[in-house]
Amino acid sequence: DTEVTQTPKHLVMGMTNKKSLKCEQHMGHRAMYWYKQKAKKPPELMFVYSYEKLSINESVPSRFSPECPNSSLLNLHLHALQPEDSALYLCASSQTPGPAYEQYFGPGTRLTVT
Amino acid sequence: TQLLEQSPQFLSIQEGENLTVYCNSSSVFSSLQWYRQEPGEGPVLLVTVVTGGEVKKLKRLTFQFGDARKDSSLHITAAQPGDTGLYLCAGALYYGNNRLAFGKGNQVVVIP
Repeated sequence: DTEVTQTPKHLVMGMTNKKSLKCEQHMGHRAMYWYKQKAKKPPELMFVYSYEKLSINESVPSRFSPECPNSSLLNLHLHALQPEDSALYLCASSQTPGPAYEQYFGPGTRLTVT
Repeated sequence: TQLLEQSPQFLSIQEGENLTVYCNSSSVFSSLQWYRQEPGEGPVLLVTVVTGGEVKKLKRLTFQFGDARKDSSLHITAAQPGDTGLYLCAGALYYGNNRLAFGKGNQVVVIP
């Protein structure tokens, strides 16, 4: 089973709202990722968790706050977002944090900020 | 600077025809992954190539990794409408820790 699940599928939020995106995998993977993808662009890396610890933050604004409660779960907390943050947010996981390991993506959350 | 260049960016062909798309770089990768992405969905991993010169087949899809591990190609034989999608290549950099460098994708449309 190579499934990564994400909830919700779609999210519409105002600029003053607080919301969270959730990601789950049960493959025993120890690296998890958040990506942002704008229309007609490739995914852009936001955060990497390695063994439940934040290992990479690609200079993401603090209005995005990641959390890894355990090895299977990854959250992205959203607060005071801007309309330009509207995008497809993708979660991915890989067996270990090594560069040669395949990343498996979830279906994504389509976020619209109004 | 885009590390991986994919060409052509857009390709439209008739059902039953063959096609080849390319993923090129001046950088060396420890591995390269190909994904297919449908609109509004996450990328689905198709294959990973690791060894220079490696060829992998997935039904009608043939993937090749260049000898120098800087480029790759994807060939589809007798394309079907279900092959329509955005094909993304992503290279794992030796020095990039967990980072994958993505190309911008090859948009393939197969017309019934």
